[in-house]
Amino acid sequence: GAGVSQSPRYKVAKRGQDVALRCDPISGHVSLFWYQQALGQGPEFLTYFQNEAQLDKSGLPSDRFFAERPEGSVSTLKIQRTQQEDSAVYLCASTIKGADRGSGKLFFGSGTQLSVL
Amino acid sequence: KNQVEQSPQSLIILEGKNCTLQCNYTVSPFSNLRWYKQDTGRGPVSLTIMTFSENTKSNGRYTATLDADTKQSSLHITASQLSDSASYICVVSLMYNTDKLIFGTGTRLQVFP
Repeated sequence: GAGVSQSPRYKVAKRGQDVALRCDPISGHVSLFWYQQALGQGPEFLTYFQNEAQLDKSGLPSDRFFAERPEGSVSTLKIQRTQQEDSAVYLCASTIKGADRGSGKLFFGSGTQLSVL
Repeated sequence: KNQVEQSPQSLIILEGKNCTLQCNYTVSPFSNLRWYKQDTGRGPVSLTIMTFSENTKSNGRYTATLDADTKQSSLHITASQLSDSASYICVVSLMYNTDKLIFGTGTRLQVFP
C-alpha cells in the first residue's frame, strides 16, 4: 500500500478483555516498530521486528503484551486482560531497513486509539 | 527520567510569524537526532534527520540545528502557516542501539490567523 495502515482506528474494550491491533507496513519494508503513546506524551518504544524476527521486545510493559509478525509483513499487537492503564494510542512504524540504516526515515501509521473502560 | 526534554510545552503564534522550538537531550553517545511533526489524530511525519556530525538541516520552511557539544537542538519555522499547527517531537537515536528511538514529549504549536 501507499502508507502504513493500522486497524482498527479506534477500539473500546472492557477491562479484562483481550484485544488485537493490526499493522500493515509499507510493502518491502524490512523493519517494523510498535510504539505506545499516552495522551500528551511522545511515543514510547514497545518492540521491533526485522522481517519475522522480533529483535527487541524490551519495551513491552508486561507479559500481557505480545506481538508477532509471522510472515515478515503484517504484524499484530495483542494485549490480554486489558487494564485501564493500557489506554493509549498504539502506533506502528516501518522503514526499509533499520531505523538508523538505509534512509533512516520511519513511516508511521495513524495509530489505533485504545480505550479501556 | 526523560532523556529528551522539549520546550516550550506549548506555543501560540500568529500566522506569518517565525518561531523556534528547543530540544535538550542527555542521551549519549547518540547516533542521530530527528524532528517529527504530528498532526492531531495522525502518526508522526519526519521533518529532518541529522547525524552527530551535522549542525543544520533544512526542509522547506523548517530548519533544524544541532549542537552536539551542548546536546541541544532547535527547530526553526519560518513564515508560519495555519497548517503548521501540530505537535513537534524531537527524537534521538542511541549509538549502540540504533533501532530504539527516544522521543521527547513534544511542543504543541498553534498558529492562529
